[in-house]
Amino acid sequence: ETGVTQTPRHLVMGMTNKKSLKCEQHLGHNAMYWYKQSAKKPLELMFVYSLEERVENNSVPSRFSPECPNSSHLFLHLHTLQPEDSALYLCASSQERDRGYEQYFGPGTRLTVT
Amino acid sequence: DAKTTQPPSMDCAEGRAANLPCNHSTISGNVYVYWYRQIHSQGPQYIIHGLKNNETNEMASLIITEDRKSSTLILPHATLRDTAVYYCIVKPHYNSGYALNFGKGTSLLVTP
Repeated sequence: ETGVTQTPRHLVMGMTNKKSLKCEQHLGHNAMYWYKQSAKKPLELMFVYSLEERVENNSVPSRFSPECPNSSHLFLHLHTLQPEDSALYLCASSQERDRGYEQYFGPGTRLTVT
Repeated sequence: DAKTTQPPSMDCAEGRAANLPCNHSTISGNVYVYWYRQIHSQGPQYIIHGLKNNETNEMASLIITEDRKSSTLILPHATLRDTAVYYCIVKPHYNSGYALNFGKGTSLLVTP
């Protein structure tokens, strides 16, 4: 138990669906992240929010839309995804003052796009 | 950015020490060495980090050579639950963004 929870843990969606992934951290951190981990590939950073403002976006397609309503919650809204978007989506949090080096990860959401 | 080199895989007998090496020969003075691990189908877990001195916590020890070109993560008494992919990451503390470059890591298999 890392103090970062993610729901749902598993999600199967069609290419025309709209769904959202949720992340919540109970650590009092003020920076939150979305990572993508595809099979046999290293983790890829997608988005970073620090103090509820997006501070990094690694050229992610617009079909992924993040939302950070407060420092404890982070969402990833999904629409018209492609089969190659099937992956493990990981949320993480850290303290801004540490510039994100000690990141605490949730268990991930296993997404399958059919 | 400094790069790291790790062996793709290692084996270790349960109860023995697991010594995981990392080469970072291009590292500069203000760059920290971080270690994370990822157990299958779980999120990565922070283990330890260091700059120059050796570090120890409840999970592991980190030995950094004097020239800082390499480091070793030591799990003193490996258990089956330590089977995971271990990532060595180097990163300066300033002006380097938030991304942690996990690379391919070392897949450690602890055997009975």
